[in-house]
Amino acid sequence: DAGVIQSPRHEVTEMGQEVTLRCKPISGHDYLFWYRQTMMRGLELLIYFNNNVPIDDSGMPEDRFSAKMPNASFSTLKIQPSEPRDSAVYFCASSLGLAGDETQYFGPGTRLLVL
Amino acid sequence: QKEVEQDPGPLSVPEGAIVSLNCTYSNSAFQYFMWYRQYSRKGPELLMYTYSSGNKEDGRFTAQVDKSSKYISLFIRDSQPSDSATYLCAMSPNTDKLIFGTGTRLQVFP
Repeated sequence: DAGVIQSPRHEVTEMGQEVTLRCKPISGHDYLFWYRQTMMRGLELLIYFNNNVPIDDSGMPEDRFSAKMPNASFSTLKIQPSEPRDSAVYFCASSLGLAGDETQYFGPGTRLLVL
Repeated sequence: QKEVEQDPGPLSVPEGAIVSLNCTYSNSAFQYFMWYRQYSRKGPELLMYTYSSGNKEDGRFTAQVDKSSKYISLFIRDSQPSDSATYLCAMSPNTDKLIFGTGTRLQVFP
């Protein structure tokens, strides 16, 4: 398996523009997670899905952020409009389950810079 | 106060040294404790996990959990330059999301 796939790997955009990040989880994994990583705040969970249904979006910073999972093999995280403080590395991860001993497999991340 | 606290480092040690990485936490419901390793410009990957209190050893790595003190540690023996990475602790009550520490950056120099 190719692992979790994310695109784009790098994104540079201007404030106010719409940004769409994409993720393909590992086949057969029922859970998909979106994280954001910054030096100051570390790795923060934004939202996670179970069988394509959003379960917990309490980490989504504000209404400018939205996430969808139209099918088991694809998810998007959208920021509209983007702001400089959204600059971070965004990771997608997937796992078979949510039990404490289930491994989360992370993608390579998308480095977002909002100017 | 954050649920999980981790010293960000950086920690710089010579090759062959014993490294100790630590996290403290406040939620007594945490039962599963994990260590993820993240190389520069890569995603985190699971290194070890421990359930409840006690020790777990895997090669040069030992994970320790002290629930009474709400303190977990990762020890790396005979550290190698290839161990240079950021180490993130993570924990969970059980069937719930993982809470991550901010990560400790480790550099092992030859």
